[in-house]
Amino acid sequence: KAGVTQTPRYLIKTRGQQVTLSCSPISGHRSVSWYQQTPGQGLQFLFEYFSETQRNKGNFPGRFSGRQFSNSRSEMNVSTLELGDSALYLCASTTGSAGGKDTQYFGPGTRLTVL
Amino acid sequence: AQRVTQPEKLLSVFKGAPVELKCNYSYSGSPELFWYVQYSRQRLQLLLRHISRESIKGFTADLNKGETSFHLKKPFAQEEDSAMYYCALRAYGGSQGNLIFGKGTKLSVKP
Repeated sequence: KAGVTQTPRYLIKTRGQQVTLSCSPISGHRSVSWYQQTPGQGLQFLFEYFSETQRNKGNFPGRFSGRQFSNSRSEMNVSTLELGDSALYLCASTTGSAGGKDTQYFGPGTRLTVL
Repeated sequence: AQRVTQPEKLLSVFKGAPVELKCNYSYSGSPELFWYVQYSRQRLQLLLRHISRESIKGFTADLNKGETSFHLKKPFAQEEDSAMYYCALRAYGGSQGNLIFGKGTKLSVKP
């Protein structure tokens, strides 16, 4: 079974630009969540989508948005990039079933650098 | 305010010794707590969650609501346990939940 994949793996943008990152979950998984990892702030949760609906959300400004498609693939978009948005962006997928028994699988991340 | 505190940035133990990674939380609601692990040059992994009451790779964690803690324990540490460990709290505000992470503890198990 293929793992969680993220594209692109590396990205360089300049301030003010916007960026779209993509995440393909494991086949059959309906939940995708996104995280930001930086040396200063550590790990921070962005949002989670389940069956195309945002189910959970972190404390990020509206410049950060996401969506999920009917095939469970997800994208996150950051508009008006700031230097502080430079980070490793991780996505993870689960089946999304209730009861807390399903395993969460993470992707390798997209390294975004904002110049 | 909702908060997760991991008081130790670095914890160093010898192989075979017991290990306890501390996690304290601040949350007025009913907590959902998790431990994540990131081994060197590997992907982040969900290690365990309190709701499952499971033991993974010999690690256990018990939710202590009185002390608002969710410490991760293993009776005999192995060198392969060396990694970065993150504690996280699912906190709800309205219908949606945020997942709040601690700053992490780097565990080093020496031979």
